[in-house]
Amino acid sequence: GAVVSQHPSRVICKSGTSVKIECRSLDFQATTMFWYRQFPKQSLMLMATSNEGSKATYEQGVEKDKFLINHASLTLSTLTVTSAHPEDSSFYICSARATSLLNEQFFGPGTRLTVL
Amino acid sequence: GENVEQHPSTLSVQEGDSAVIKCTYSDSASNYFPWYKQELGKRPQLIIDIRSNVGEKKDQRIAVTLNKTAKHFSLHITETQPEDSAVYFCAASIGGNNRLAFGKGNQVVVIP
Repeated sequence: GAVVSQHPSRVICKSGTSVKIECRSLDFQATTMFWYRQFPKQSLMLMATSNEGSKATYEQGVEKDKFLINHASLTLSTLTVTSAHPEDSSFYICSARATSLLNEQFFGPGTRLTVL
Repeated sequence: GENVEQHPSTLSVQEGDSAVIKCTYSDSASNYFPWYKQELGKRPQLIIDIRSNVGEKKDQRIAVTLNKTAKHFSLHITETQPEDSAVYFCAASIGGNNRLAFGKGNQVVVIP
């Protein structure tokens, strides 16, 4: 149980384009999902907290207009990187949490974004 | 603050020996402390967690201890095996929504 999927696993795009990443909880309802980015050999940096049916809460320093988050259902959250630039290249990982599972967060497999 | 500090940054152990990773946290309201194992290019996997109402938890070769007074918690891996080689992250819950603040990670290398 507690499986989280993420799509796509890898994406390469041109500078200036937008990229959408999907995060799905496959066998449980995720009232809250989290989006992280991870640079090579570094820790997970929380970008935003996404609650189903409400606006996402962004961490300090994360531009909400650049990283659009939508949590339209209890099993799906999306992150759209708008007008991507090479510095946005990173490993983006989502996690999902269900109320019934207390605080446990289960991670998706991540999306490797490369912006040319 | 919401800092979680993790030591050491790298740790090499002989196969069969024990490995200990320590973390400290600053938010006295933190009540949930998970440990994640991440292999290169893969997702973090929850390996063990502890809540603030207990001081120790064990699962086979893995144990976690928590000292709320000192605000530190530790991961103990006994009888290490080569497949234990990975990056280990500690985390602490913060804020009213119990999001997680992660430590910087610890590269554990088990030498056969």
